[in-house]
Amino acid sequence: DAGVIQSPRHEVTEMGQEVTLRCKPISGHNSLFWYRQTMMRGLELLIYFNNNVPIDDSGMPEDRFSAKMPNASFSTLKIQPSEPRDSAVYFCASSLLRGYNEQFFGPGTRLTVL
Amino acid sequence: GIQVEQSPPDLILQEGANSTLRCNFSDSVNNLQWFHQNPWGQLINLFYIPSGTKQNGRLSATTVATERYSLLYISSSQTTDSGVYFCAVERQAAGNKLTFGGGTRVLVKP
Repeated sequence: DAGVIQSPRHEVTEMGQEVTLRCKPISGHNSLFWYRQTMMRGLELLIYFNNNVPIDDSGMPEDRFSAKMPNASFSTLKIQPSEPRDSAVYFCASSLLRGYNEQFFGPGTRLTVL
Repeated sequence: GIQVEQSPPDLILQEGANSTLRCNFSDSVNNLQWFHQNPWGQLINLFYIPSGTKQNGRLSATTVATERYSLLYISSSQTTDSGVYFCAVERQAAGNKLTFGGGTRVLVKP
């Protein structure tokens, strides 16, 4: 079975540019999570969706960040405009909503904003 | 929010040694997972263990939910065990989101 798929794996951009990160969850999973990992703050949850509906976006740092999940097999995390402090590894994870809700992580997108 | 503390923060082992990593959490949890982040940055699922004991090869884990801690045991360590080990918990009545500990960085020397 394919795991969580993220693209791109690496992104280098200049300050002020728009960045879009993409995620395809495991087929059949109905919860999707976006995390960010930095040296200073470790792994932190940005936002999560249940059945394509955003449930908790309290971790989104500011209005420059937005996330969507138009259907059960695709989600995007957008940063506009990007800033150097957004440089981090962004992980997407998915799980079942009920019962055995183990989360599985994608390989991550390493974002560098110059 | 819930606090998750891992100890020790760093661990250096000689190949073949055994070790125990600890995860303490400050509130009741529905879910607890252990992950290994390898040197390439991938987060590998080790255990889904909200309570009880599980074993997988040279690794085993125990969670005592009533006392709010979990232990990860590594036996006969190998160089491929190097990396960072994370504990993550899902607090009860807080939705199904994980809060991560700071990790234990393990280096296994040949």
